[in-house]
Amino acid sequence: KAGVTQTPRYLIKTRGQQVTLSCSPISGHRSVSWYQQTPGQGLQFLFEYFSETQRNKGNFPGRFSGRQFSNSRSEMNVSTLELGDSALYLCASSPTPGLAGGRDEQFFGPGTRLTVL
Amino acid sequence: QKEVEQDPGPLSVPEGAIVSLNCTYSNSAFQYFMWYRQYSRKGPELLMYTYSSGNKEDGRFTAQVDKSSKYISLFIRDSQPSDSATYLCAMIKAAGNKLTFGGGTRVLVKP
Repeated sequence: KAGVTQTPRYLIKTRGQQVTLSCSPISGHRSVSWYQQTPGQGLQFLFEYFSETQRNKGNFPGRFSGRQFSNSRSEMNVSTLELGDSALYLCASSPTPGLAGGRDEQFFGPGTRLTVL
Repeated sequence: QKEVEQDPGPLSVPEGAIVSLNCTYSNSAFQYFMWYRQYSRKGPELLMYTYSSGNKEDGRFTAQVDKSSKYISLFIRDSQPSDSATYLCAMIKAAGNKLTFGGGTRVLVKP
C-alpha cells in the first residue's frame, strides 16, 4: 500500500509570493490533517479535512488555507509569504476523523520543506 | 507556557543502554497519548499509543502514562544505533485529529 505522498518535496519562494502544497492520502483514508514543523515552535496543527469539509483549525492566520477534493487529496495554500513561514509542512492521513476511543493512527508523509527568502 | 513540555536533548547513550524519555503536560483534558519517532528528512511515524494510565509494552518499547501527575514516559530497551532519531510525544484532548506535540527529544545511540 502506498504511503502518504506530498509534492513538491522542496520549494523556495520569496516574501510576498503565494504557494500551494499538495497531499495525497493513503488509499481509502478520508481524513487529512496538516502540520507545520519549525525548530522554534515544533510541530503545530494547521487544519483537518474530512469529506471535503474543514473539521478543525489551529491558531494560524487566515493566510493559511486548505481544501480537500472528492478523491480525498488535499491542498494547502499560503498567501503573502513571510520569512517565518519557512518550515517543514507535514500532511497526515487517517481512515476517519478522530480516534473515537480506538487506534486510528495518523500516517505522516515526508513533508514539503518550504524556504522563504 | 506550552501545553506539552519535552526536554530537547540531545540524549546520547551507548548501544544496549535503556533510553528514557518523558513529557509533561498541563491540561487534564488530554486523553490519548502517543509517541512518534522522526528520522531526519522523514515524517513522524507512530511508535506507541495509549489511553489509560499505566504501562504498555511493545517489543523493546514501553510507554507509561500517569494522568494524576500529567506525565508520560517512553523507555527503549537494548537501544540500537538505528534508534537514533528525534522522539516526539503527542496527545489529543478528545476524539479528533488535532495532535498537540511536545518539542521532541533528539536521541543518539552510539555503537
